[in-house]
Amino acid sequence: AQRVTQPEKLLSVFKGAPVELKCNYSYSGSPELFWYVQYSRQRLQLLLRHISRESIKGFTADLNKGETSFHLKKPFAQEEDSAMYYCALSGLVSGYSTLTFGKGTMLLVSP
Amino acid sequence: ETGVTQSPTHLIKTRGQQVTLRCSSQSGHNTVSWYQQALGQGPQFIFQYYREEENGRGNFPPRFSGLQFPNYSSELNVNALELDDSALYLCASSLGGGGPNNEQFFGPGTRLTVL
Repeated sequence: AQRVTQPEKLLSVFKGAPVELKCNYSYSGSPELFWYVQYSRQRLQLLLRHISRESIKGFTADLNKGETSFHLKKPFAQEEDSAMYYCALSGLVSGYSTLTFGKGTMLLVSP
Repeated sequence: ETGVTQSPTHLIKTRGQQVTLRCSSQSGHNTVSWYQQALGQGPQFIFQYYREEENGRGNFPPRFSGLQFPNYSSELNVNALELDDSALYLCASSLGGGGPNNEQFFGPGTRLTVL
């Protein structure tokens, strides 16, 4: 079974502080991992995916297969980063590609 | 380009009733996935439709069923509603069967309350 764990429900930091949102996964195959974000009153949207190895809005995430982690990081948090963040894993279940989400972490960035 | 739309926005039903939720996919997308998001939880995969065929199913009972139409819009039907079915139901559209290389675009959701 594939599983995604986000251990923190809430992460509160001050503007300019570094941010790390933790994500651990369980999957027997080779996973594809994503971070989705939901800003207040907006719909869920893709932030970044590990296969692209990109930085979006200053956020990066590195897949660590040894630690089965895909933590989201940003060196200097901004107030507009306040949102709900979901880590997600795409893997095969019964031959079909399935997206499994974690429970999410609320990031609050204070001025 | 038109984004994913869902209707209705909110819905209240009683236990044992049946409900139909609707989703219009983003222009050009042929794949629709449905998710259930309970309060305080992440979205949980219900099933996916690709070119009008079910293309994957999560751990949901048969009373959760769906359809996809030739224009790629979709319906989620839930029979014999239970209190635990109260949740936000999200629809997401994508291209090509919804594989990991195909970004899913989410709708705003339908909030279902079962009393």
